[in-house]
Amino acid sequence: QVQLVESGGGLVKPGGSLRLSCAASGFSFRDNYMSWIRQAPGKGLEWLVYVSGTGSYTHYADSVKGRFSVSRDNAKNSLYLEMNSLRAEDTAVYFCARQDSRGEHFDNWGQGTLVTVSS
Amino acid sequence: QSALTQPASVSGSPGQSITISCTGSSSDVGAYNYVSWYQQRPGKAPKLMIYDVSHRPSGVSNRFSGSKSGNTASLTISGLQTEDEADYFCCSYTRTTAHVFGTGTKVTVL
Repeated sequence: QVQLVESGGGLVKPGGSLRLSCAASGFSFRDNYMSWIRQAPGKGLEWLVYVSGTGSYTHYADSVKGRFSVSRDNAKNSLYLEMNSLRAEDTAVYFCARQDSRGEHFDNWGQGTLVTVSS
Repeated sequence: QSALTQPASVSGSPGQSITISCTGSSSDVGAYNYVSWYQQRPGKAPKLMIYDVSHRPSGVSNRFSGSKSGNTASLTISGLQTEDEADYFCCSYTRTTAHVFGTGTKVTVL
């Protein structure tokens, strides 16, 4: 079955950087767009970015454009999120999610990894 | 792009039906039939319940149904059960930022 496992979260100081990973299994990873979505403590979901199956096309939310960078390694079935210039408001659980190849919805999600930005 | 508007909370008794609204604009909900709904229990990842306005993924109870009228989408849960108690989020494809989520609704079974 489809499995997505995020890692790399932790405590980082404001202005710092962090790289999140998402290991995928149970499906043909290269066939699906993938997204990162976050949820601040006690708040709603915020879509951040998607990357196409080949990795050649990306689209970012304004809130992270220029600071976050998404990439994928289809040979390793892995998705990444490089986060720079982190702010307190970036504190959240970060989920990777598979986008269904037939539409614009997220049919499988990882369990999330917590990123805390604090001095 | 502002979040889609959902009521903060909706409640109902077991067996009743409830409806959660999701109001957007002509750039998102009103423009595309790409509205999806997610159920999230505390400490868990969201789970897809409805996609493309009204389609149910395999394994999701037929007590969940979706619809759309103009710029507002709706999720109806019929025959409410205690296990339905959770947060629910809508999501729409948008012309500008690709995807936008709703503010979320806490469903309480009385």
